[in-house]
Amino acid sequence: EDKVVQSPLSLVVHEGDTVTLNCSYEVTNFRSLLWYKQEKKAPTFLFMLTSSGIEKKSGRLSSILDKKELFSILNITATQTGDSAIYLCAVEASSSNYKLTFGKGTLLTVNP
Amino acid sequence: GAGVSQSPSNKVTEKGKDVELRCDPISGHTALYWYRQSLGQGLEFLIYFQGNSAPDKSGLPSDRFSAERTGGSVSTLTIQRTQQEDSAVYLCASSPGTGRSNQPQHFGDGTRLSIL
Repeated sequence: EDKVVQSPLSLVVHEGDTVTLNCSYEVTNFRSLLWYKQEKKAPTFLFMLTSSGIEKKSGRLSSILDKKELFSILNITATQTGDSAIYLCAVEASSSNYKLTFGKGTLLTVNP
Repeated sequence: GAGVSQSPSNKVTEKGKDVELRCDPISGHTALYWYRQSLGQGLEFLIYFQGNSAPDKSGLPSDRFSAERTGGSVSTLTIQRTQQEDSAVYLCASSPGTGRSNQPQHFGDGTRLSIL
């Protein structure tokens, strides 16, 4: 059974701090790992990672995948209160109709 | 529409009633997925459609749950004889289709279902 574990489950920081969110996984026929940000409603797509060692960046957010050690990290630099959200990690397997298996998420709170 | 649209956004109903939840995917997306998000839990897969057929129903928790998709577009998720444990946010996602170049699933805002 595919499995995704995120850590920490929750995190409280001050504006300007840098945070690292972790995601480890076990999946058969891995195809990709995805990060989503969920505020009040729809999870919104951040990154899709398929290859090891290639960093993806979008503004202050970046992510990298290690397919040998089976984990990914999501970094957020110079955090802002608007970064407060649940960050979801999911894996997609080609053997399971590409459905996503999600971790329980990391609740990030950024205080002013 | 520009994104995945779900209705209603909120539904409160009495235990034992049937409910129907609707999902309108992004235009042209052939793959459609239903997930459920319960308090304290991650998103759990329910069912996957490719076009109008559902090759993977493995996540449906009981035979009270069913779904259909017509015209390769709109999907409805039906829960019969609702129970309190069905209370959750039901999320729909769509993508251009499996087997194509890597494209992420895009989610709707969900339907928050509360069973009294």
